[in-house]
Amino acid sequence: KQEVTQIPAALSVPEGENLVLNCSFTDSAIYNLQWFRQDPGKGLTSLLLIQSSQREQTSGRLNASLDKSSGRSTLYIAASQPGDSATYLCASSGSRLTFGEGTQLTVNP
Amino acid sequence: DVKVTQSSRYLVKRTGEKVFLECVQDMDHENMFWYRQDPGLGLRLIYFSYDVKMKEKGDIPEGYSVSREKKERFSLILESASTNQTSMYLCASSLLAGGNIQYFGAGTRLSVL
Repeated sequence: KQEVTQIPAALSVPEGENLVLNCSFTDSAIYNLQWFRQDPGKGLTSLLLIQSSQREQTSGRLNASLDKSSGRSTLYIAASQPGDSATYLCASSGSRLTFGEGTQLTVNP
Repeated sequence: DVKVTQSSRYLVKRTGEKVFLECVQDMDHENMFWYRQDPGLGLRLIYFSYDVKMKEKGDIPEGYSVSREKKERFSLILESASTNQTSMYLCASSLLAGGNIQYFGAGTRLSVL
């Protein structure tokens, strides 16, 4: 059974800092790896999807990488802003999505 | 843009009541999903559907049932609500099975008293 782990559980940084969120998964037989953002009390918004054949995907200040062999993905956020404060979840896609518990990010002005 | 709409943001129900949570998507997606989200447990899949009138159990189907009479609508039913079903419920849809992006609704926070 796939298990997805996210470290750290919470992170607080000053505005402008570059940061990395980590995601690890136990079963490398995945279709893709997805990163989502969740604001308090809200649903999930898809940020990036990396296909299993890809190494990375970029969207604006976000860059996600995937290393299937080691079972790891990272989400890099450049020049963080207070508006980036949210919980970030990764999910591996096999026959269904398996989610990590998320990293709660706070960017302080 | 894909829109997934959940009928209620907040619901308060009593133990033993039958509860319906409704979800509608407007992009002709084949697949729809119901999750619940709890602190320390993350998102867990309750049921999903790959087609009209078709349903599959997820990881925690006990105490729940679903209905998909039309492609755009997927309902989650709590036959007899219990306090341990107090949670945030999230509906999602995707175009195809397997590795497609899932689009989520805003969530329904259900409290069972």
